[in-house]
Amino acid sequence: GIQVEQSPPDLILQEGANSTLRCNFSDSVNNLQWFHQNPWGQLINLFYIPSGTKQNGRLSATTVATERYSLLYISSSQTTDSGVYFCAARNQAGTALIFGKGTTLSVSS
Amino acid sequence: GAVVSQHPSWVICKSGTSVKIECRSLDFQATTMFWYRQFPKQSLMLMATSNEGSKATYEQGVEKDKFLINHASLTLSTLTVTSAHPEDSSFYICSGDRGRGNIQYFGAGTRLSVL
Repeated sequence: GIQVEQSPPDLILQEGANSTLRCNFSDSVNNLQWFHQNPWGQLINLFYIPSGTKQNGRLSATTVATERYSLLYISSSQTTDSGVYFCAARNQAGTALIFGKGTTLSVSS
Repeated sequence: GAVVSQHPSWVICKSGTSVKIECRSLDFQATTMFWYRQFPKQSLMLMATSNEGSKATYEQGVEKDKFLINHASLTLSTLTVTSAHPEDSSFYICSGDRGRGNIQYFGAGTRLSVL
């Protein structure tokens, strides 16, 4: 099956800093999603982005499908951005999203 | 986005009892539903995939007789943890989509604690 790798595993920032989270995947994908998991465990869907670029406020994401990676950008980070960010991907043969191990982001004031 | 409702959100049970978790797609018909498990400080691991009216497909290492999945309709899937033991304590999350290539929507999860 598809392999999904995220980097860095941990990221510590000061409030106001920008950050880039990376997701590499091992196969062509028909689905790629970025999530933020809140302290109660709920997955908040940030982007559905199997290819291209999208922006939503301070967050944006880019997937370069031909090179098998996706990037999540967080600008002007806030303490409320803290938490775990997951990338998950599905290839043509798969039926379900497969998750990376996540990036734990800590933003301090 | 579409809504997936999961119930209960938290359950505590005694060792040896069975627990049923419900997953409903409220405003769409889920062609396929998925069940994931997440242990503390770890990622989500896919347990099984189910299509309405068909037997579930379990991932390697997941005991199908312990984790019974029923996908009775296009809007309801249930996961029953049979004869639960403390090692089954985990966070269980369901998901559904409208078909391949489409976005997957996730429930809020069920935290199971087995005493």
